[in-house]
Amino acid sequence: EIVMTQSPGTLSVSPGERATLSCRASQSVGSNLAWYQKKPGQAPRLLIYSASTRATGIPARFSGSGSGTEFTLTISSLQSEDFAIYYCQQYDNWPPITFGQGTRLEIK
Amino acid sequence: QVQLVDSGGGVVQPGRSLRLSCVASGFTFRSYGMHWVRQAPGKGLEWVAVIWYDGSTTYYVESVKGRFTISRDNSKNTVYLQMNSLRAEDTAVYYCARGTQYSGRGHFDNWGQGTLVTVSS
Repeated sequence: EIVMTQSPGTLSVSPGERATLSCRASQSVGSNLAWYQKKPGQAPRLLIYSASTRATGIPARFSGSGSGTEFTLTISSLQSEDFAIYYCQQYDNWPPITFGQGTRLEIK
Repeated sequence: QVQLVDSGGGVVQPGRSLRLSCVASGFTFRSYGMHWVRQAPGKGLEWVAVIWYDGSTTYYVESVKGRFTISRDNSKNTVYLQMNSLRAEDTAVYYCARGTQYSGRGHFDNWGQGTLVTVSS
């Protein structure tokens, strides 16, 4: 099973600033990685797939990069609605599909 | 537009059963693999099961093997999760999610709203 590790656990950033979230895989997943945003009481929302492709309707301030075992989600200028928990997910070697433990992005 | 509507959650005693349903609309359901994902209170997302577009192949996370069964009825645009021998640790919000075409391998681009399952005596 591939273990996904996200860092940091909590990230405090001011609105308008940049946020950088990291995700590491225990073995290579190629570019088979997605990022999701999760808010309380809501379903997860797909942001990025194939490591760097924005999903339909996702603002350009969200970008993904990386391949192999190291991945990054960058939010270029934080808006109030961006404060949430973010999860990475690998779908290269499955089953099982595995998620990271999440990074909580909070307002500084 | 794509829509997934989850239902069937509730409070159930340990050892009992429950069946979740997810009704899909807005896309060619029979062409897509479908998944169930859960989130326990205060925890992260956990993938539970997948079923291929034609129902021919299913996979499960280890912790539910032998207890949960995923199935689908393409004539009703519905995917199910039959949960038997429920345990307290199965308490979670359960989401159905659309995978990619055919096997469902890949990202999940659409999700249901979730249905809460509480296992408690």
